[in-house]
Amino acid sequence: QKEVEQDPGPLSVPEGAIVSLNCTYSNSAFQYFMWYRQYSRKGPELLMYTYSSGNKEDGRFTAQVDKSSKYISLFIRDSQPSDSATYLCAMSAGNTPLVFGKGTRLSVIA
Amino acid sequence: DAGVTQSPTHLIKTRGQHVTLRCSPISGHKSVSWYQQVLGQGPQFIFQYYEKEERGRGNFPDRFSARQFPNYSSELNVNALLLGDSALYLCASRGSGGREAFFGQGTRLTVV
Repeated sequence: QKEVEQDPGPLSVPEGAIVSLNCTYSNSAFQYFMWYRQYSRKGPELLMYTYSSGNKEDGRFTAQVDKSSKYISLFIRDSQPSDSATYLCAMSAGNTPLVFGKGTRLSVIA
Repeated sequence: DAGVTQSPTHLIKTRGQHVTLRCSPISGHKSVSWYQQVLGQGPQFIFQYYEKEERGRGNFPDRFSARQFPNYSSELNVNALLLGDSALYLCASRGSGGREAFFGQGTRLTVV
């Protein structure tokens, strides 16, 4: 079992839809959770950072962490074609290296 | 403020050659990590440095080495290149007490 599981998609949605992206993990020591957006052939861009369980909202993006279920989510409201990218979840136990999911490729169709 | 900068952006090398990749962290960040990302996969951890000391190493062969300089910039060296080393190499920096990592644009290495 991989430490972090993420459905690679691809996921295709119409413009304006609500997008739900998810990751599960097995290491209960993880406390820091991040979502990155990566455009083709570019470096990952940090979108959301969450510590421990709970929700965090930033504009059209909401990150949720459920440590009891070892499950994290990223919601994108009012999705736009410019949101088309690969979304990577990442997590760590502190100053330890990040462990990434495979990434989910998202296409938002105008 | 400048983000994490990496050089070069693209590189083509022949099998058996050596390569050096460079990274400058965000100003004030003392921690630098290197990751390898092959097509269709998430980044895989290679090295972590903090205050010029190695703090962690991923499951990569000894052909991979790195160092951090007094100005906190870093180099990743790969010897005896293999075709399988073709990937996007990413550098990330973290601030003191910060847990989130900020990535550079990466160096795309192609080994032929």
